[in-house]
Amino acid sequence: AIRMTQSPSSFSASTGDRVTITCRASQGISSYLAWYQQKPGKAPKLLIYAASTLQSGVPSRFSGSGSGTDFTLTISCLQSEDFATYYCQQYYSYHTFGQGTKLEIK
Amino acid sequence: EVQLVESGGGLVQPGRSLRLSCAASGFTFDDYAMHWVRQAPGKGLEWVSGISWNSGSIGYADSVKGRFTISRDNAKNSLYLQMNSLRAEDTALYYCAKGGTESYGDYVYFDYWGQGTLVTVSS
Repeated sequence: AIRMTQSPSSFSASTGDRVTITCRASQGISSYLAWYQQKPGKAPKLLIYAASTLQSGVPSRFSGSGSGTDFTLTISCLQSEDFATYYCQQYYSYHTFGQGTKLEIK
Repeated sequence: EVQLVESGGGLVQPGRSLRLSCAASGFTFDDYAMHWVRQAPGKGLEWVSGISWNSGSIGYADSVKGRFTISRDNAKNSLYLQMNSLRAEDTALYYCAKGGTESYGDYVYFDYWGQGTLVTVSS
């Protein structure tokens, strides 16, 4: 089974910061990677699929990159509504999520 | 507007059964694969099961294989999850999720999610 490891597990940042979250796959998954945002008490929301394709309606401050085993989600200018937990998910072989990265306000 | 509404959750004793349902609207249901994803309290996301548009391809996580059965009724725009031999570790919020438009064989990302239905397994 493919394992997905996110880093960091949690961190603090301020509004306006540029932040990057990393996701590493235990084996190559080409570009079959998605990113989700989840706020407390809410369902996950798709941000990015195919490693770098922005889902319709998602602000352009979100971007994704990577292929093979190493991927990143970048938020270029943090807004207050971006403080949430972020998950990566591979869909190269079955479906596996990372453990999540909780982004908190500094 | 895509809507996915889960139902059927509740408190159940270990070893018993429960059937979850998901009512879909706002898209052509029989064009897309559908999935169940769960989240234990305070924990991360775990894919549970998925079914192709025509029920021709079905998959399960190892943790539920042999106990859970996924099905769909395209005439009713509905997805189901029959859960048997429930265990305490099955306690979670169960989400119904729609498969995205770009898949890799049977594997896909999830572009819309319901609000979930809570299953609690406890004596």
